[in-house]
Amino acid sequence: AQSVTQLDSHVSVSEGTPVLLRCNYSSSYSPSLFWYVQHPNKGLQLLLKYTSAATLVKGINGFEAEFKKSETSFHLTKPSAHMSDAAEYFCVVTLMGGSARQLTFGSGTQLTVLP
Amino acid sequence: EAQVTQNPRYLITVTGKKLTVTCSQNMNHEYMSWYRQDPGLGLRQIYYSMNVEVTDKGDVPEGYKVSRKEKRNFPLILESPSPNQTSLYFCASSHQGTNEKLFFGSGTQLSVL
Repeated sequence: AQSVTQLDSHVSVSEGTPVLLRCNYSSSYSPSLFWYVQHPNKGLQLLLKYTSAATLVKGINGFEAEFKKSETSFHLTKPSAHMSDAAEYFCVVTLMGGSARQLTFGSGTQLTVLP
Repeated sequence: EAQVTQNPRYLITVTGKKLTVTCSQNMNHEYMSWYRQDPGLGLRQIYYSMNVEVTDKGDVPEGYKVSRKEKRNFPLILESPSPNQTSLYFCASSHQGTNEKLFFGSGTQLSVL
């Protein structure tokens, strides 16, 4: 079985300061890991994806995430927050090459960016 | 423009009145799926489809039906809606499966009274 834990339901940062959204996963096999972002009243949009190539993955809008197998983590970071980053973020795990059913979403982290 | 289109955007109904939420994609994707989003629970998969006439249950299929008669369409059917199905629903598609980028619709907010 696989699972995803987003360690913070809410994160608040000031504009221009770093962002850290934490995600831990549990998977019996090699996982694919994703971060999606959901802006208010919108569908989810892919930020970045890890599939066993480089452990540091760069995504859109200046976000990146590092896959750490020893810590079973896939934390999302951004050096400098922008007001437009305020949204809900979801960490997602699926089995690499696994069945279509096994896609598991974390419960989400709401990011607030203060002026 | 590549997109996943859901309709309606908002729906209020009463218990027991059958309804259908439509989903259509214009990217010739093989994989389509439905999710419900509830506060604090993230997204949970209801049903998915790997291709035409191929559908399977996700994690929370009870009370829902789907069909995939054409590649582009994947409607979600609630035969007898109940208040516990009040939720935000998303349709998503990808080229071949869950290891690829999912394209999401804008969501359908359903309220069952």
